[in-house]
Amino acid sequence: QVKLQESGPGLVKPSVTLSLTCTVSNYSITTAYYWGWIRQPPEKGLEWIANIHHTGNTYYSSSLQSRVTMSVDTSKNQFSLKLKYVTAADTAVYYCARVDCSDTTCYVDFWGQGTLVTVSS
Amino acid sequence: DIQMTQSPSSVSASVGDRVTITCRASQGLRSWLAWYQQKPGKAPQVLIYSASSSQSGVPSRFSTGGSETDFTLTISSLQPEDFGTYYCQQANTFPPILSFGGGTKVEIK
Repeated sequence: QVKLQESGPGLVKPSVTLSLTCTVSNYSITTAYYWGWIRQPPEKGLEWIANIHHTGNTYYSSSLQSRVTMSVDTSKNQFSLKLKYVTAADTAVYYCARVDCSDTTCYVDFWGQGTLVTVSS
Repeated sequence: DIQMTQSPSSVSASVGDRVTITCRASQGLRSWLAWYQQKPGKAPQVLIYSASSSQSGVPSRFSTGGSETDFTLTISSLQPEDFGTYYCQQANTFPPILSFGGGTKVEIK
C-alpha cells in the first residue's frame, strides 16, 4: 500500500516562504503517476495547488502559480512544495497526494494524512 | 479555469432516505469527474472516478449519473456511516489541472 507523509513547520510567520515535504513509501515516485499538493482551510473546501509528473514536469493552480514551486528529490523518494509570501489566507491543512491520470480520468487515489500550517506572527 | 458548483451545500436526512448531490461544471468534462467522501479530521477518500467507476469497496448504494456539465451522486438508502462531506472533482487529463466543488455536508437526522 502506498503511503504518503507530510512534514514541515506547523507555524510560519507572514511574508515568509512555507516549505513542506512529502515522503512516499512503498512506491518509487519516478515510476509513474503525478504527485500533488491540495490544501483545505479550516472549515472550508478543498483547493488543488500543484502537480508534478514523475518525469519532473510541473503544473500549478492559476491562482497560486506566482507563489508556488514544486520539486522532487528522487534519492529520498520525496517531493516538496514551496509557497512564497504567505498570509493568514494560506492557513490550511496541506495534503500531499498521488494523482492517477489516464485517458479518461485524473483523480487522487492516495492521500497523506495532512498537516496543519498556521500563518501567524 | 473550469468552475465546479455543488448543491446543496448541506443536507440532513434520515437513515434509509435517498440523497442526491449535484455537481455542475462551467464547461463540458466528458467523463473526467471524481467523487470523494471526507470524514471530520481525515483526508478525503475517492468513491467514484471516471464519472461512474466505483473504487474498490464502495457500497452499491452509491451511484452516479450525468455527463458533460451536470453530474449527480446518489445514496440510495442513507446509512449512519455515510455522514461526512462529499466533494466532486474535475480534471483535464492534460495538463493535469484539478478543481473541486465546494462540498456537500451530509448529516444524519
